[in-house]
Amino acid sequence: SQQGEEDPQALSIQEGENATMNCSYKTSINNLQWYRQNSGRGLVHLILIRSNEREKHSGRLRVTLDTSKKSSSLLITASRAADTASYFCATVTTDSWGKLQFGAGTQVVVTP
Amino acid sequence: DGGITQSPKYLFRKEGQNVTLSCEQNLNHDAMYWYRQDPGQGLRLIYYSQIVNDFQKGDIAEGYSVSREKKESFPLTVTSAQKNPTAFYLCASSIDRAASGANVLTFGAGSRLTVL
Repeated sequence: SQQGEEDPQALSIQEGENATMNCSYKTSINNLQWYRQNSGRGLVHLILIRSNEREKHSGRLRVTLDTSKKSSSLLITASRAADTASYFCATVTTDSWGKLQFGAGTQVVVTP
Repeated sequence: DGGITQSPKYLFRKEGQNVTLSCEQNLNHDAMYWYRQDPGQGLRLIYYSQIVNDFQKGDIAEGYSVSREKKESFPLTVTSAQKNPTAFYLCASSIDRAASGANVLTFGAGSRLTVL
């Protein structure tokens, strides 16, 4: 069963707009990670947020974590056409060795 | 440049045949993983290995086999017992930071297997 579930499944925006996607999970986590996948390619790690953190920034990315609601959000500000990709959240639970459980992803399309 | 190399990128197989997907890394990572991705879905863990000569089943290991004879290599064999093998296969590696749980994965470019 999938630990993380992203919402929405797909998102279409114009360049310059912000893109927000959410991830909900079921069991207690050690950390939550966001990855990006361009079509037909491998995943690339974007950012990691630990369970005792509430917000992290990396360039145009902002990630929040609410452990009471078991949810996280990824915000991409001032989106560009090159941000077109699928975005996945992955959780590392407290009772696993360090294995990541991935959600189904949010497909983001940024049009010029 | 350090990274993970998967080969072949595309592979076609007839039903009943075994195929082996190659995964090599030069990152000096301890842990390696195989994931399967189906269209529009997330990644599901097939097998993982924390150290040479040791590996564990993931969530969907049936019909697959692996070996870890060298730190750099983690080949995956898709056997004829795998009922629906057509998928995109991704290999990944990480520094084993089990104590901190901060396993950040580095992925290869993937291998797309199609069964005819």
